[in-house]
Amino acid sequence: AAGVIQSPRHLIKEKRETATLKCYPIPRHDTVYWYQQGPGQDPQFLISFYEKMQSDKGSIPDRFSAQQFSDYHSELNMSSLELGDSALYFCASSPGGTSATGHEQYFGPGTRLTVT
Amino acid sequence: AQKVTQAQTEISVVEKEDVTLDCVYETRDTTYYLFWYKQPPSGELVFLIRRNSFDEQNEISGRYSWNFQKSTSSFNFTITASQVVDSAVYFCALSESLNSGGGADGLTFGKGTHLIIQP
Repeated sequence: AAGVIQSPRHLIKEKRETATLKCYPIPRHDTVYWYQQGPGQDPQFLISFYEKMQSDKGSIPDRFSAQQFSDYHSELNMSSLELGDSALYFCASSPGGTSATGHEQYFGPGTRLTVT
Repeated sequence: AQKVTQAQTEISVVEKEDVTLDCVYETRDTTYYLFWYKQPPSGELVFLIRRNSFDEQNEISGRYSWNFQKSTSSFNFTITASQVVDSAVYFCALSESLNSGGGADGLTFGKGTHLIIQP
């Protein structure tokens, strides 16, 4: 079965640079979520989208922005990168649209971002 | 605010033993959803189970079983006859229905329990 696709899988950036992470949800899933997992930490919810509209917002820094496109894929844009942004970034998708809450979220393999 | 507590940071057992992972949650919502995810050393997050707040039936799936008790706000996970392949970090997570009007609420995860199955 098709899974969530994330690219790139690994990314190395320097401080103050920008990065863009991409997420392609499971076919027919219309909702995407972004999470950040620091080393040895639990995943922290950043933001979610349904039908190109922001749905829920978590602990996303102001330096980060995200959007969902008409084909449902999503991009997380990160600017002025800091050492503390080094983490595993997960995208998840689910069906359900406006009633997506409660549906299981299927996670991609993650993008490992290293900021030096 | 919602909160998930997994008090067991690390558990180590010998293969074939049974093991229970504890999860306690806090929420003000009457409608909420509970989840368990597995994160093996390879790093991916694997969905295991979802339970809504209106369904207190226990569930069994092979060697896995889940015990949901609203009276104690707990959603515990038991692995019977553990195997080395069960070694992973296990996360309990919660989502509420009223966090946002958009309906796609993020999950709140517990800190995770690192399960080590020794051969």
